[in-house]
Amino acid sequence: EAGVVQSPRYKIIEKKQPVAFWCNPISGHNTLYWYRQNLGQGPELLIRYENEEAVDDSQLPKDRFSAERLKGVDSTLKIQPAELGDSAVYLCASSLGTGGPQHFGDGTRLSIL
Amino acid sequence: GQQVMQIPQYQHVQEGEDFTTYCNSSTTLSNIQWYKQRPGGHPVFLIQLVKSGEVKKQKRLTFQFGEAKKNSSLHITATQTTDVGTYFCAEQAGGTSYGKLTFGQGTILTVHP
Repeated sequence: EAGVVQSPRYKIIEKKQPVAFWCNPISGHNTLYWYRQNLGQGPELLIRYENEEAVDDSQLPKDRFSAERLKGVDSTLKIQPAELGDSAVYLCASSLGTGGPQHFGDGTRLSIL
Repeated sequence: GQQVMQIPQYQHVQEGEDFTTYCNSSTTLSNIQWYKQRPGGHPVFLIQLVKSGEVKKQKRLTFQFGEAKKNSSLHITATQTTDVGTYFCAEQAGGTSYGKLTFGQGTILTVHP
């Protein structure tokens, strides 16, 4: 079984530039999560999808962050414009159902200059 | 909201010594999950505890869920260098928030050969 695939692995941009991350979950996993992980911290949920519906986006900074999950499979997370404080690892995870074990991708390490 | 307290933040042990990390919540939990993240890697699911007082074992790892479902622990017997990494508990709330995981800060385990 292929795992969760994320791209790119690394991204370096200047502040105020836009950036996008892509995630392909495990086949058949209807629940998809985007997390942000700062150095020395645990992952913090940004948004959770059940199929194509965002069921929990309370932690997503909506002034600059957006996400979509068209057709309930792949998902993209966008930041526009990026700020220095957005430097972090952005992790995507998926699970077979709500509340089940989550499978994480390798993440995208974002650095803002 | 949920508060996830995980201690200790760091633990250095000699190979062969035991290790324990503790997780405490301010609220009664639906279930708790444990993840391991190797340096430079992504979180990997270890186990999920659901029942009050539940104890589960995986080889040298023993997981416990408190009777009140507000605390949990992970104990490793006779650590090995392969146990190095950060161990996170992740608490899952019940009710309308079911499906949302709140991660602890993690315990960074270093094993000296």
